[in-house]
Amino acid sequence: DQQVKQNSPSLSVQEGRISILNCDYTNSMFDYFLWYKKYPAEGPTFLISISSIKDKNEDGRFTVFLNKSAKHLSLHIVPSQPGDSAVYFCAARGDNQAGTALIFGKGTTLSVSS
Amino acid sequence: KAGVTQTPRYLIKTRGQQVTLSCSPISGHRSVSWYQQTPGQGLQFLFEYFSETQRNKGNFPGRFSGRQFSNSRSEMNVSTLELGDSALYLCASRRLAGEETQYFGPGTRLLVL
Repeated sequence: DQQVKQNSPSLSVQEGRISILNCDYTNSMFDYFLWYKKYPAEGPTFLISISSIKDKNEDGRFTVFLNKSAKHLSLHIVPSQPGDSAVYFCAARGDNQAGTALIFGKGTTLSVSS
Repeated sequence: KAGVTQTPRYLIKTRGQQVTLSCSPISGHRSVSWYQQTPGQGLQFLFEYFSETQRNKGNFPGRFSGRQFSNSRSEMNVSTLELGDSALYLCASRRLAGEETQYFGPGTRLLVL
């Protein structure tokens, strides 16, 4: 039973265009959402987060949108750069079996071509 | 500030053996969590330690255990290794248990033959 789902395993975008990565969740008790980026042979790197009481958070080229009624969040990267090519994980924290552990989606591989 | 460090980075073991992995959190961080990453299951939570006490535990068998020392360093042990334990084991730290953001180390790649 996957509580956090990233339904697109991969996404290809041209340099300079917008990348939109999507994430759906099922548990309405999640109170915080995070995005991590992961390069091969490295650990995930924290990118941006959003509290469940907000609907948007922006940090430079990265913006996360949260739609609580749809249980959906998205990460927008504008403009996309080749260095953004990586696996992106959506994660949620909240009331779950594991306390305040993060529950991760399975990731979306973003490829940005120049 | 130095990041989360994990040792060793790579490990090869055979079925039935046991293994110990080590994690040093970011200075000042007292909470350490462990995750297992496999291609099929993604990142799955193993357990979290805070102030030398296990705070939370994921859905893994008892062969997986851990501990935390007074300096916040943590070790994870897997006994009676199985082929399916081959994975990237990631350690993450945060200042306090329950804080939103966790910072990950580079991971230990374990291969069980």
